[in-house]
Amino acid sequence: EVQLVESGGGLVQPGGSLRLSCAASEFTFSSHAMSWVRQAPGKGLEWVSAISGAGISTYYADSVKGRFTISRDNSKNTLYLQLSSLRAEDTAVYYCAKHQVQSRDAFDIWGEGTMVTVSS
Amino acid sequence: QSALTQPPSVSGSPGQSVTISCTGTSSDVGSYNRVSWYQQPPGTAPKLMIYEVSNRPSGVPDRFSGSKSDNTASLTISGLQAEDEADYYCSSYTSSSTWVFGGGTKLTVL
Repeated sequence: EVQLVESGGGLVQPGGSLRLSCAASEFTFSSHAMSWVRQAPGKGLEWVSAISGAGISTYYADSVKGRFTISRDNSKNTLYLQLSSLRAEDTAVYYCAKHQVQSRDAFDIWGEGTMVTVSS
Repeated sequence: QSALTQPPSVSGSPGQSVTISCTGTSSDVGSYNRVSWYQQPPGTAPKLMIYEVSNRPSGVPDRFSGSKSDNTASLTISGLQAEDEADYYCSSYTSSSTWVFGGGTKLTVL
């Protein structure tokens, strides 16, 4: 079964950093673009960042550009999101999502999410 | 990039049909057939229901259908069932090579 499992969430102080991971299984990881999508408590979905299958191209929402960095290790079938200069408004469940193929394709598989709380 | 516009809530009785609209701009919905719809029951991860405006992934009932006209996409659910009660989100690829979601619509089955 195709599966995505996120980890690395937790409580962090404003201005702090955190690295999220997403372990993928049962599909050819390097053949698919991947994204991170977040959802603040009680709010809607917000796309955060995407990366091409080879990891060459990356894309960011304006709200996180310059603070978050997406990367992947295709040898480990793992997607990452480095969060820096965190703000209270970054508090959310962070989902990793697989694109059907390219980053312009829909998100066909989602993980269960990992919660990030930014608070002093 | 502003969020796509969806009605906050819709409702219908079992067996009826409901339509959820999703309005964007010429930079997203109006420019691409890369509109998708996601179902999210409470406390769960989103699930892809429609991709490229009107295509259903394997396993999604044909009661779910999508369409688009100019800058507005729509999701129609016919033959409503209790299990359809959830939040629904539209999403579109944009001219900036990014993605934008709608604010979400809560579907209540009466």
